[in-house]
Amino acid sequence: SYVLTQPPSVSVAPGKTARINCGGNNIESKSVHWYQEKPGQAPVLVIYDDSDRPSGIPERFSGSNSGNTATLTISRVEAGDEADYYCQVWDSNSVVFGGGAKLTVL
Amino acid sequence: EVQLVESGGGLAQPGRSLRLSCAASGFTFDDYAMHWVRQTPGKGLEWVSGINWNANDIAYADSVKGRFTISRDNAKNSLYLQMNSLREEDTALYSCAKSSGFNYGTGAFDVWGQGTMVTVSS
Repeated sequence: SYVLTQPPSVSVAPGKTARINCGGNNIESKSVHWYQEKPGQAPVLVIYDDSDRPSGIPERFSGSNSGNTATLTISRVEAGDEADYYCQVWDSNSVVFGGGAKLTVL
Repeated sequence: EVQLVESGGGLAQPGRSLRLSCAASGFTFDDYAMHWVRQTPGKGLEWVSGINWNANDIAYADSVKGRFTISRDNAKNSLYLQMNSLREEDTALYSCAKSSGFNYGTGAFDVWGQGTMVTVSS
């Protein structure tokens, strides 16, 4: 089965840029979606189809996908961006989530 | 306002059954595929099952295949998950999620419910 690998944690200072990777075999051939989950809240879609932003998501959130790695980039990080971030793809007619990366704002 | 509200969770003994419901509002329910996703406390997201707009295309995670059944009633704007032969490892927060498309097999999950907790324990 297809596996998505994310770092367990990423730390960044406020105002800096956070990059959260999602590794998978030839992931560039798939559409990658990203979700933000804050404690006690439902997940929120922040990037879909590799790099598109749903309405209401700040332009600070962007995505890319190349080779074996997809990346969620958060520019000018704010304290409110502290959350768990999950990548997701479809593989063999099944949904696969990454293990999630906890973003800590220092 | 687009909203998904789950219900039906609770405590069940191993081997017993529960039926979860998800009430949808604020969008044309029968235009979209729907899914169930679960999350063990402190752990990550696990997809459980999905169903396309007219229930002609359904799939399950291997971990629940043969025990869980997903269904929908478009007239009632509702999604269901019948969970039989429950195991302790099924203990999780179960959320329904709306797909961005009508077909199963593509799309992101653009709306999520808050979830309903299922605890399987003797």
